[in-house]
Amino acid sequence: DIQMTQSPSTLSASVGDRVTITCRASQSVSIWLAWYQQKPGKAPTFLIYKASTLESGVPSRFSGSGSGTDFTLTISSLQPEDFATYYCQQYNSYPLTFGGGTKVEI
Amino acid sequence: EVHLLESGGSLVQPGGSLRLSCAATGFSFSSHAMTWVRQASGKGLEWVSSIRNSGDKTYYADSVKGRFTVSRDNSKNTLYLQMNSLRSEDTAVYYCARALVEYNSGCYHFDRWGQGTLVTVSS
Repeated sequence: DIQMTQSPSTLSASVGDRVTITCRASQSVSIWLAWYQQKPGKAPTFLIYKASTLESGVPSRFSGSGSGTDFTLTISSLQPEDFATYYCQQYNSYPLTFGGGTKVEI
Repeated sequence: EVHLLESGGSLVQPGGSLRLSCAATGFSFSSHAMTWVRQASGKGLEWVSSIRNSGDKTYYADSVKGRFTVSRDNSKNTLYLQMNSLRSEDTAVYYCARALVEYNSGCYHFDRWGQGTLVTVSS
């Protein structure tokens, strides 16, 4: 199984900050990586696929990069609605696996 | 607008069974693979099972293989998860999600999610 490790697990930031979240795979997943956002008590929402392609409707302040085993999710200027938990997910092979999540808090 | 509505979650005793349903509207259900993802309270997301659009191929996490069965009725636009031999560690919110296939890998990511249904396994 491919293990997905996110860091940090918690990130304290302020509105306007540039924020970077890292996701590392235990073996190469090529570019088959997605990112999701989840707010407390809500279902996840889809942000990015193929490591760097923004889902339609997602604000351009979100961006993704990476390939192979190392990936990043960047929020260029943190907005109040961006305080949430972020998860990466590999879809290179079964079983599909998620990272443990990164909580972005004030 | 895509809408996914899960139902069927409840309190069940260890060893018991439960069937979850997910009613889909707003898109061509028979054209899309579907998936179940669960989340224990305060924990991260865990993929459970996926099914191809035609229902002819299914995939399972090792933690549920042999106990859970995913199925779908394309005439009713509904996804199911039959859960047998339930354990306390199956306690979670179960989400259904629309799955998008990556043809290069044959695997899925998930673009629309329901609000989830809570399954509690306890005596």
